[in-house]
Amino acid sequence: GAVVSQHPSWVICKSGTSVKIECRSLDFQATTMFWYRQFPKQSLMLMATSNEGSKATYEQGVEKDKFLINHASLTLSTLTVTSAHPEDSSFYICSARDLASGDTDTQYFGPGTRLTVL
Amino acid sequence: GQNIDQPTEMTATEGAIVQINCTYQTSGFNGLFWYQQHAGEAPTFLSYNVLDGLEEKGRFSSFLSRSKGYSYLLLKELQMKDSASYLCAIMDSNYQLIWGAGTKLIIKP
Repeated sequence: GAVVSQHPSWVICKSGTSVKIECRSLDFQATTMFWYRQFPKQSLMLMATSNEGSKATYEQGVEKDKFLINHASLTLSTLTVTSAHPEDSSFYICSARDLASGDTDTQYFGPGTRLTVL
Repeated sequence: GQNIDQPTEMTATEGAIVQINCTYQTSGFNGLFWYQQHAGEAPTFLSYNVLDGLEEKGRFSSFLSRSKGYSYLLLKELQMKDSASYLCAIMDSNYQLIWGAGTKLIIKP
């Protein structure tokens, strides 16, 4: 089946530093990847849609200069949290669509990255 | 290995009841989530079970049996708007989410 990985699984950083999170589709190609943020026992909040070879589309209220997204290849998208602050501490989840499947509805989710900013 | 199984697709009639099953084998267990996802939208949290038993929330209920590695989501009084994909996800011992492939629920009048 389609597998999506994220790296790192956990990251703890100091306030003011930047953190990069990777999202990879391991056995399929994904022109579109999604970045979500999850607060405890709450819905996933879509932050941005990442399109290979073009600029990401950010949801309203998400600062594009703070959450930098790069989708340089069909199997890799990165989210960089710049100048992280404690309020950025959260669980970040990515998902990807399988280009070859023709199914535009199904997303394959990654295991998540837990970010803690001290 | 880690594995979560749920049916790919189910069909039900408006006003009826449907049960979506989820079975799992994971390295550790820190809770099971059910999400609803309409096409083109972000998943919406439905329920979280960490202890055995049934949790009821309006028309939706979720059941968990940790010893059997089994959960189900029960939807009552089905409405057309319940047509969506339903995702089962387990948080493992490392607090990582393991996702099922989702069950596409089709509601017919």
